[in-house]
Amino acid sequence: SQQGEEDPQALSIQEGENATMNCSYKTSINNLQWYRQNSGRGLVHLILIRSNEREKHSGRLRVTLDTSKKSSSLLITASRAADTASYFCATSDGYNFNKFYFGSGTKLNVKP
Amino acid sequence: NAGVTQTPKFRVLKTGQSMTLLCAQDMNHEYMYWYRQDPGMGLRLIHYSVGEGTTAKGEVPDGYNVSRLKKQNFLLGLESAAPSQTSVYFCATSKDRFSGYTFGSGTRLTVV
Repeated sequence: SQQGEEDPQALSIQEGENATMNCSYKTSINNLQWYRQNSGRGLVHLILIRSNEREKHSGRLRVTLDTSKKSSSLLITASRAADTASYFCATSDGYNFNKFYFGSGTKLNVKP
Repeated sequence: NAGVTQTPKFRVLKTGQSMTLLCAQDMNHEYMYWYRQDPGMGLRLIHYSVGEGTTAKGEVPDGYNVSRLKKQNFLLGLESAAPSQTSVYFCATSKDRFSGYTFGSGTRLTVV
């Protein structure tokens, strides 16, 4: 399976600290995406990074991609209580990138 | 500007009953997807569509059927519900195969 796997499964930090989540996958990809899910809600798209990109920024979010290690990381800087959510990576099928495979997520708790 | 609307939001079915979940989008997106989310397992792709009149199987298609008769609607059917189909179902859309997904808010289905 192409499914990405996030690490750690759960992360608890204080407001103002940085949060780093990692995603590893098994086979070649065309692109990788990160999503956020607040409890009981749908997923919200955060960032898409293509296989030929190494780093991407969006506000307080920084995503890196290392295709040689088949891994990606999501860094949230200066975290806020509102960042409390589950974060998922999704990887596209290298041969059929109509489909994205999701990991089981990292549950982030930011304490005020 | 509704985005992606899923109907119904909650449903309880008895084993063997049938039902249809509706996903409607007003963004003129070509691609539509049905995922299910179970605790600790991330999202798994059930079926997807790359345009009006097309459907294809995902990772876990057994027990489900889909139809995309109109571009804006993607229907997911359960012909004979089983307790194993208790889950939260999410519809997602994307503009093209390089873009991130827009998710609906989900349908929580319980089969007793």
